[in-house]
Amino acid sequence: KQEVTQIPAALSVPEGENLVLNCSFTDSAIYNLQWFRQDPGKGLTSLLLIQSSQREQTSGRLNASLDKSSGRSTLYIAASQPGDSATYLCAVSYTNAGKSTFGDGTTLTVKP
Amino acid sequence: DAGVIQSPRHEVTEMGQEVTLRCKPISGHDYLFWYRQTMMRGLELLIYFNNNVPIDDSGMPEDRFSAKMPNASFSTLKIQPSEPRDSAVYFCASRPDGGFTGELFFGEGSRLTVL
Repeated sequence: KQEVTQIPAALSVPEGENLVLNCSFTDSAIYNLQWFRQDPGKGLTSLLLIQSSQREQTSGRLNASLDKSSGRSTLYIAASQPGDSATYLCAVSYTNAGKSTFGDGTTLTVKP
Repeated sequence: DAGVIQSPRHEVTEMGQEVTLRCKPISGHDYLFWYRQTMMRGLELLIYFNNNVPIDDSGMPEDRFSAKMPNASFSTLKIQPSEPRDSAVYFCASRPDGGFTGELFFGEGSRLTVL
């Protein structure tokens, strides 16, 4: 069974701290991995997408890495801000257009 | 493009009533997905379509749930009759076909409360 796990479920950090969110997947034959952000009462917003042939993607203060051999991806957030507070989910696709398997997310709180 | 558009944003109904949720995917996207999100079960895939054809409906919880996609720009998820345990946020998402990056885009969701 293809499973995606995100640990920890919740994380609280002071403003300005650099932090890493983790995503683990059981089947390494992925097509791509996507990181999302979800604010309370809102939909999921795509942050970064990493193809299976890539090792990392960057967007502003965000950097996502992918290590297929170990079944892991990390989302690095530099210089965290209170506005970064949200739930972050990762989703793994195993084909080029089919369904994605989601983790349960990590809820991040950045304290001023 | 306006993104994936869902309606209604909020729906409150009584047990036994029929509920219809609507979705307009991003133009040109060939895949459309319906997800349900609850605190207990997280994000669950209910059904997805490719070129208006249902591909996998194994996530549809019961026969009370049905989904249609009559054309490339419109899909519905219907619950009849509704039950309190159907209360959740229902998301629609779309993505382009293979050959592109396969990035998935979500709507804002429809929050359903069944009393």
